Amino acid sequence: GQNIDQPTEMTATEGAIVQINCTYQTSGFNGLFWYQQHAGEAPTFLSYNVLDGLEEKGRFSSFLSRSKGYSYLLLKELQMKDSASYLCAVRDQITGGGNKLTFGTGTQLKVEL
Amino acid sequence: DAGVIQSPRHEVTEMGQEVTLRCKPISGHDYLFWYRQTMMRGLELLIYFNNNVPIDDSGMPEDRFSAKMPNASFSTLKIQPSEPRDSAVYFCASSLSPLLAKNIQYFGAGTRLSVL
Repeated sequence: GQNIDQPTEMTATEGAIVQINCTYQTSGFNGLFWYQQHAGEAPTFLSYNVLDGLEEKGRFSSFLSRSKGYSYLLLKELQMKDSASYLCAVRDQITGGGNKLTFGTGTQLKVEL
Repeated sequence: DAGVIQSPRHEVTEMGQEVTLRCKPISGHDYLFWYRQTMMRGLELLIYFNNNVPIDDSGMPEDRFSAKMPNASFSTLKIQPSEPRDSAVYFCASSLSPLLAKNIQYFGAGTRLSVL
């Protein structure tokens, strides 16, 4: 099975940088995803890591260390619209048609003026 | 593409009634997922299909829940009989094969279910 931990909530200031951490213990691993979910809306894809290192995408970056079971999502130049829940999800082995994501409970980010 | 389409968006029903949730995946996607989201338990996978065949239904809470995918463009999640503890937001998602690079699950807008 999968066990995923991330902080419940964080607060940051507009224009600042925030790092949201995610740790996982898994029986199988084939990639880590970050999703953003605004209140009352569906989760939307932000980033994907399957190899160690940093993936950058505009104001958002995601890092993965498979040996440490650790990832973080970095948000730069925070905007008010970044206030949302950020979900870390780990994909299980993909053998035999497997394609299962296990989601963390999410980190509620509040961006303040 | 219109994305993943779910219906209804909201459902209010009384305990004991049958509830049917519907989902149309993105055309060409061969994986379909049903999730449930609550404040207490977060986003949980209930069941997923590959090429219309159920692959893993270990997340289905009990026999009151059933899911079908009669063809590549339609799936249903049925709860019979419904109970107040089934109140949640139910999401459907679809994706391409995980063998493809950056396999991403795309979510529908969800169905907010309230069982009174």
